[in-house]
Amino acid sequence: NAGVTQTPKFQVLKTGQSMTLQCAQDMNHEYMSWYRQDPGMGLRLIHYSVGAGITDQGEVPNGYNVSRSTTEDFPLRLLSAAPSQTSVYFCASSLSGSSYNEQFFGPGTRLTVL
Amino acid sequence: SQQGEEDPQALSIQEGENATMNCSYKTSINNLQWYRQNSGRGLVHLILIRSNEREKHSGRLRVTLDTSKKSSSLLITASRAADTASYFCATGYRNAGGTSYGKLTFGQGTILTVHP
Repeated sequence: NAGVTQTPKFQVLKTGQSMTLQCAQDMNHEYMSWYRQDPGMGLRLIHYSVGAGITDQGEVPNGYNVSRSTTEDFPLRLLSAAPSQTSVYFCASSLSGSSYNEQFFGPGTRLTVL
Repeated sequence: SQQGEEDPQALSIQEGENATMNCSYKTSINNLQWYRQNSGRGLVHLILIRSNEREKHSGRLRVTLDTSKKSSSLLITASRAADTASYFCATGYRNAGGTSYGKLTFGQGTILTVHP
């Protein structure tokens, strides 16, 4: 199994540009989520999904959109990039929506917005 | 706001020594998890302790949980250079509806450096 994969690994955007960060998992996990990691801030939850067609907001959802059309994929869209969105983005998945499940993380996407 | 606060922020030790990291949280939880992050990589799950457990072991890892003090500690015994990483605690809790959705709240992490 490849686990959780993310593309791209690195991305540089200009302010106002849009882009989609890709995330896929091959473990048939119901639960998927997106976090951003900033220095001194730990990981903060952006959006999450408990199954195909079901998404909800996390702690810092503004400026981001998600959709979940399949169990495997959970893309994160930046609508109009801002310098404040410079961060490292991690996608994670777990077997189900229970918080007792361990989460499996992708390798991350390092995004810089100029 | 962050639920977990790790202490210390950074820890530097020699190989063979024990490393202890602490995590404090604010609200009631149903479980607490520890993750490791090597530089430039994603997080890897280490261990989970439920709110009704007080201590758990996994190899060289020992986790304790004190729900009365809302704190947990992670002990790594006989540390190795390969243990150099950031360590995060993450708390899981029941939402207002009483379910345990998979939302975890992560702390800021402890950076552990183990010198050979």
